[in-house]
Amino acid sequence: DTAVSQTPKYLVTQMGNDKSIKCEQNLGHDTMYWYKQDSKKFLKIMFSYNNKELIINETVPNRFSPKSPDKAHLNLHINSLELGDSAVYFCASSQTIGTGGGETQYFGPGTRLLVL
Amino acid sequence: QKEVEQDPGPLSVPEGAIVSLNCTYSNSAFQYFMWYRQYSRKGPELLMYTYSSGNKEDGRFTAQVDKSSKYISLFIRDSQPSDSATYLCAMSAPNAGGTSYGKLTFGQGTILTVHP
Repeated sequence: DTAVSQTPKYLVTQMGNDKSIKCEQNLGHDTMYWYKQDSKKFLKIMFSYNNKELIINETVPNRFSPKSPDKAHLNLHINSLELGDSAVYFCASSQTIGTGGGETQYFGPGTRLLVL
Repeated sequence: QKEVEQDPGPLSVPEGAIVSLNCTYSNSAFQYFMWYRQYSRKGPELLMYTYSSGNKEDGRFTAQVDKSSKYISLFIRDSQPSDSATYLCAMSAPNAGGTSYGKLTFGQGTILTVHP
């Protein structure tokens, strides 16, 4: 009964391919996030959805497109993969936002993407 | 210059030592300060969070925030081999509407090894 799960755990693919990473949370949270962690462990937010609505959209290439079919799922689709996309992608969720701060974000185990 | 600076280490200490981990930041709008722990090949998990300046203690862990110096610290007393992990500081500020605290800005993470 994993709280935040991601599939796949590992993804090895060729440059130019299109791939998707799926995320599901069973915590009943309203808000979900995608983060990218590079080889130096630097973790940077990419997107955030609250109740299926996009609320944070950082400066990422438009090859990255998040989709939230319902508030328990947030998927990440990446078109035309490049070498620099190789990283660990983490999904996270929090109960809500905007209630005064400090909402704990719960992270998934990560998806390790390697683009060859 | 990054908004949040954290010495990546690595830091190696003997069991029982007191560990001090630090971050500095440049954005004076940050109001919530967090420490996450990340074990190898796992997602980050929240250890401590503090609002504004002050100290917070939880068992062997103490978090300190000095907003005047833009400096935060995490102290680990009686460190254990199980504390070996990467420690990430994270901070958040209200958005333009003054409500959302969802966007976390992370430090690079400090790799800590506690040897028996």
